[in-house]
Amino acid sequence: QQPVQSPQAVILREGEDAVINCSSSKALYSVHWYRQKHGEAPVFLMILLKGGEQKGHEKISASFNEKKQQSSLYLTASQLSYSGTYFCGTETDRGSTLGRLYFGRGTQLTVWP
Amino acid sequence: NAGVTQTPKFQVLKTGQSMTLQCAQDMNHEYMSWYRQDPGMGLRLIHYSVGAGITDQGEVPNGYNVSRSTTEDFPLRLLSAAPSQTSVYFCASSYSPSGRADEQFFGPGTRLTVL
Repeated sequence: QQPVQSPQAVILREGEDAVINCSSSKALYSVHWYRQKHGEAPVFLMILLKGGEQKGHEKISASFNEKKQQSSLYLTASQLSYSGTYFCGTETDRGSTLGRLYFGRGTQLTVWP
Repeated sequence: NAGVTQTPKFQVLKTGQSMTLQCAQDMNHEYMSWYRQDPGMGLRLIHYSVGAGITDQGEVPNGYNVSRSTTEDFPLRLLSAAPSQTSVYFCASSYSPSGRADEQFFGPGTRLTVL
């Protein structure tokens, strides 16, 4: 049930853009995005719900394609503070797994000045 | 608010020993969960709870027990530690009024080494 993230790693210069993708083989109710800096706990970025509702970080944008069970996180005009590992978490649309989040293996983003 | 707290921060065990990782939150969240994080594997759900007295298994529950006697506390017990349980353990909580996954607040983690 673990979603697949791509790419595994991205290296950017400050000001460049990046897209991180997340896909699942299961019908999804929601997709969650978190960022983790080295040695720290993951921090919430946003949730995208089936039906179009979103909740989260004002400066982060993302999309959720319900038909393809895919989500993309868009990081525009990247800043040094964007460096870290990004994780997507998915919640399936089945009652038996209500509330469970399955996380991908992460995408390591490095922003250089 | 302290948020989500975890103790200890670091722990070294010998194979076969048992121990309890503590997790507490002061946000009155109903949903609490335990994850383990291994290099290159992401976060894997061990056990979770949707309220006091209710717990359920996640992806990798073997070798771990949990209980939820209060809203605030959600301890994770390692019954007989094995080297494969060497990992960083994160506790998380969320409001989740509908039972659906919501914004999760993570504790600082416990780094466990089993020799």
